[in-house]
Amino acid sequence: GENVEQHPSTLSVQEGDSAVIKCTYSDSASNYFPWYKQELGKGPQLIIDIRSNVGEKKDQRIAVTLNKTAKHFSLHITETQPEDSAVYFCAATSGNTPLVFGKGTRLSVIA
Amino acid sequence: SQTIHQWPATLVQPVGSPLSLECTVEGTSNPNLYWYRQAAGRGLQLLFYSVGIGQISSEVPQNLSASRPQDRQFILSSKKLLLSDSGFYLCAWMGGGNYGYTFGSGTRLTVV
Repeated sequence: GENVEQHPSTLSVQEGDSAVIKCTYSDSASNYFPWYKQELGKGPQLIIDIRSNVGEKKDQRIAVTLNKTAKHFSLHITETQPEDSAVYFCAATSGNTPLVFGKGTRLSVIA
Repeated sequence: SQTIHQWPATLVQPVGSPLSLECTVEGTSNPNLYWYRQAAGRGLQLLFYSVGIGQISSEVPQNLSASRPQDRQFILSSKKLLLSDSGFYLCAWMGGGNYGYTFGSGTRLTVV
């Protein structure tokens, strides 16, 4: 089955700097890769996703890149703000099975 | 629009007591439904998922069970809670041609 590895587990950045979170997956059949943001005491919220027919997707300060050959994808947050502080999860699926999540990255943006 | 409801928000239960957590989805039909558990500071562990009424797939054998008595209702149960059942329980749904999940607001369960 699919296995998703996520790094780093914790990340601290200064406000205004960029943050990058990386994930690798094992199943070459996976074709959908979402990213979720979880604030304290709340359920995760989908912030951006990418399908395997696209190499990059951007939404304002957030972007995701996908390298199918290397089986890795990354989340990029530019101009970080204190409200970006949260736990971020990557996930992968082929569509026929449930999403497999990474273990999460706790991002702290220091003002 | 689609919404997902999960209750209660918090629950404190004694060891050995039963459990029933409910999740309902509005605004869609025949959704895939999921129960996840999240231990403190940890990742998301898939417990059960359902692709239709009465269809339950179990990912991890444990002290819990799930049922889907109606198309948009998913229930997580236990006959006798253990201390290790404490955690943050999340319900999610997928449907409408999208692969992304929408999560509920979660139930924080503390077994004492």
